[in-house]
Amino acid sequence: KAGVTQTPRYLIKTRGQQVTLSCSPISGHRSVSWYQQTPGQGLQFLFEYFSETQRNKGNFPGRFSGRQFSNSRSEMNVSTLELGDSALYLCASSTGDAGGEKLFFGSGTQLSVL
Amino acid sequence: GENVEQHPSTLSVQEGDSAVIKCTYSDSASNYFPWYKQELGKRPQLIIDIRSNVGEKKDQRIAVTLNKTAKHFSLHITETQPEDSAVYFCAASKGTAGNKLTFGGGTRVLVKP
Repeated sequence: KAGVTQTPRYLIKTRGQQVTLSCSPISGHRSVSWYQQTPGQGLQFLFEYFSETQRNKGNFPGRFSGRQFSNSRSEMNVSTLELGDSALYLCASSTGDAGGEKLFFGSGTQLSVL
Repeated sequence: GENVEQHPSTLSVQEGDSAVIKCTYSDSASNYFPWYKQELGKRPQLIIDIRSNVGEKKDQRIAVTLNKTAKHFSLHITETQPEDSAVYFCAASKGTAGNKLTFGGGTRVLVKP
């Protein structure tokens, strides 16, 4: 089985722009979660989607949004980018059938905001 | 919400020695506690997990212990090897209705040959 795929691998944007990141989960997985990883804040939960519905949400501003498609692929959007949004954005997939599951992470999208 | 604290932030051990990483959590409703290992430039990978109905779990050289009363859990790595060098993250979740993990700040482990 192919692993979790995230595109693009790297992104450079300027303040005020918006960006869309993509995540393709492992085949058969219906849950996709997004995490922000920074050296200072570690790994922080953004949101989780399951069967096209947002099932959990972290404590990020409304500029961060996401969606999930019928094939379980997910996108994350960040609008009005700020310097502090520079981070590695990781998505993770799981079957989603029960809580407390093993998450399979993608390699991440490294976002730099200038 | 849940808060997970992890100590130490860095740990240097001699090859063959043991390494112990400790985490505490704040929400008594949390019942699922995974540990992820992230090698430099790589994605996090689950190495072991424990649920609140179990006090200890082992998998070869790694083990995790959970003290629900004190709300803390620990990762133990025995007979450390250079390939154990990585950042280790503990996490906690309520294990119901989804996969919202709250991570600790991470421990950078360096195993010196």
